[in-house]
Amino acid sequence: DGGITQSPKYLFRKEGQNVTLSCEQNLNHDAMYWYRQDPGQGLRLIYYSQIVNDFQKGDIAEGYSVSREKKESFPLTVTSAQKNPTAFYLCASSIGGRGEKLFFGSGTQLSVL
Amino acid sequence: QKEVEQDPGPLSVPEGAIVSLNCTYSNSAFQYFMWYRQYSRKGPELLMYTYSSGNKEDGRFTAQVDKSSKYISLFIRDSQPSDSATYLCAPNQGSNYKLTFGKGTLLTVNP
Repeated sequence: DGGITQSPKYLFRKEGQNVTLSCEQNLNHDAMYWYRQDPGQGLRLIYYSQIVNDFQKGDIAEGYSVSREKKESFPLTVTSAQKNPTAFYLCASSIGGRGEKLFFGSGTQLSVL
Repeated sequence: QKEVEQDPGPLSVPEGAIVSLNCTYSNSAFQYFMWYRQYSRKGPELLMYTYSSGNKEDGRFTAQVDKSSKYISLFIRDSQPSDSATYLCAPNQGSNYKLTFGKGTLLTVNP
């Protein structure tokens, strides 16, 4: 089955620790995205990538980093610089990106210990 | 003025009711209009996709766009408990990669 796989489903971060969230897609989509969802805040764009080896900051990129070394993979690292990391993180992909329909993974809940 | 405004609810209706969910937006360049459904602790899934003004129907769901008043609606007929979810509107220009989402309306359909 084609789709987007996010792992882990739940993740805990200790103070000062970097953690990496995995996102893999087998839809052969060019564009991939990371969103953060907080209660009452809706979806906010962290980073997006149009093609391999290229990515752009979204609206709330501070404290996060990404890489896009393969078309299928777009991991997100939450660094220690992100002081309020507790949130539900969603990865998505689209065929081309410009106004295209987004397909989402099932999300990762990140909490701080 | 926020780019997209959506009443967060919560909205609670009895099974079989007609549900109306709404969004307003401020950017007149928006021309693609999407509705996503998100079950609790899951990723959103695309429910309806429309272009420009007018209506689009898919089973019990109807999406309506009025570009003159910058108002978009999603109607659910004969609502079912399985429709209980958060509904996110997402108007889009179609010219960039930054999709704008409303904050979502939480709907509960009671059996």
